[in-house]
Amino acid sequence: EVHLLESGGDLIQPGGSLRLSCAASGFTFGTYAFSWVRQAPGKGLEWVSAISATADVTYYGDSVQGRFTVSRDNSKNTLYLQMNSLTADDTAVYHCATHHSSGAYFQHWGQGTLVTVSS
Amino acid sequence: EIVLTQSPATLSLSPGERATLSCRASQSISTLLAWYQLKPGQTPRLLIYDASNRVTGVPAKFSGSGSGTDFTLTISSLEPEDFALYYCQHRSNRPWTFGQGTKVEIK
Repeated sequence: EVHLLESGGDLIQPGGSLRLSCAASGFTFGTYAFSWVRQAPGKGLEWVSAISATADVTYYGDSVQGRFTVSRDNSKNTLYLQMNSLTADDTAVYHCATHHSSGAYFQHWGQGTLVTVSS
Repeated sequence: EIVLTQSPATLSLSPGERATLSCRASQSISTLLAWYQLKPGQTPRLLIYDASNRVTGVPAKFSGSGSGTDFTLTISSLEPEDFALYYCQHRSNRPWTFGQGTKVEIK
């Protein structure tokens, strides 16, 4: 059974940095592309970033480009999101999700980790 | 950025009724659209991909159709567990975006 567990969310001041992790189990981690998707309080879903199975390709949404960095360690079955220069607009629950075999649809999701940016 | 507009925002129906949810794209996305179901306290569930393909394990009561800019998710006969939020999402080009959601509630 696919299991994704995010961690690292916290209350952080504006301008601060945070690294999220997503630990995976139950499947062959290194064969899947992943995305981070966030949901701000009371808002809808927003795709944040993606990384290919072998980490040779990464993509970012416009709102996080230049501030966030996605990475993965296939030997540890773990996905990461380094978030810098955080603002209040980054406050959200962050989910990691596997891509579907057909492409950039999000098939398996973790429960998410809450990032709150506030002074 | 492609904007996906879902309608209606809320659909009030009774169990057994048919639900028809709409998702309109601001430009053509071929059939590169998915539908998700979201329930409180649960992770989103991918239902339909590439507009009309059911994910393995998704009941046949869920069906998707459309191409270009207009898409529909149909739930043929609502059961209690189907009352939830539904989102569409495209993968035509980046950024991949979601619609704002349609809430299917019990009338």
